[in-house]
Amino acid sequence: DAKTTQPTSMDCAEGRAANLPCNHSTISGNEYVYWYRQIHSQGPQYIIHGLKNNETNEMASLIITEDRKSSTLILPHATLRDTAVYYCIVRVATSGGSNYKLTFGKGTLLTVNP
Amino acid sequence: DSGVTQTPKHLITATGQRVTLRCSPRSGDLSVYWYQQSLDQGLQFLIQYYNGEERAKGNILERFSAQQFPDLHSELNLSSLELGDSALYFCASSAVPALVETQYFGPGTRLLVL
Repeated sequence: DAKTTQPTSMDCAEGRAANLPCNHSTISGNEYVYWYRQIHSQGPQYIIHGLKNNETNEMASLIITEDRKSSTLILPHATLRDTAVYYCIVRVATSGGSNYKLTFGKGTLLTVNP
Repeated sequence: DSGVTQTPKHLITATGQRVTLRCSPRSGDLSVYWYQQSLDQGLQFLIQYYNGEERAKGNILERFSAQQFPDLHSELNLSSLELGDSALYFCASSAVPALVETQYFGPGTRLLVL
């Protein structure tokens, strides 16, 4: 799986959009970009994933550059509850119960300030 | 609530002892993963089971073992415990078959070895 690079930490004001970048310059054509987050000591929580098109769900938007070498997770209106470590993970899509392990890096600690 | 349950929430034991951590996956999920999160190593994949069979191994010590039962719940057995085994242990489950699979994490078991 491709390696990812994320900033160690970021701050955001409550109510503003939080834009979390991720670099995955060695991504392959069959690798998806996943985002998970972990609120202090809780289990990681799935946020969103994408291949090459921009994606949006009730939690966030994912913008992937045309060359797929980087992406940005957008939390449109950050709240204090969004303070967490955000992990960008790149992984090959598989099926049939084969190895699905997630390789977590150090992630970005997003702190949402009042 | 991810639908994945783990017991116990907290476990305190002594070096040299053996403990068993239990995980119940989301209803219908066939795959179970175990991860370890320590302060110095971050989130590390340990092992995966799919429908009762071991599918992948990560950084799992020989003192650790796991199994998945016919009802799909899983247990992680940690023996000859050392101080360094103190960590959060997370279980995740996923629905397969799926081309792009999402893992849902439980709340974790916090193990403290004294």
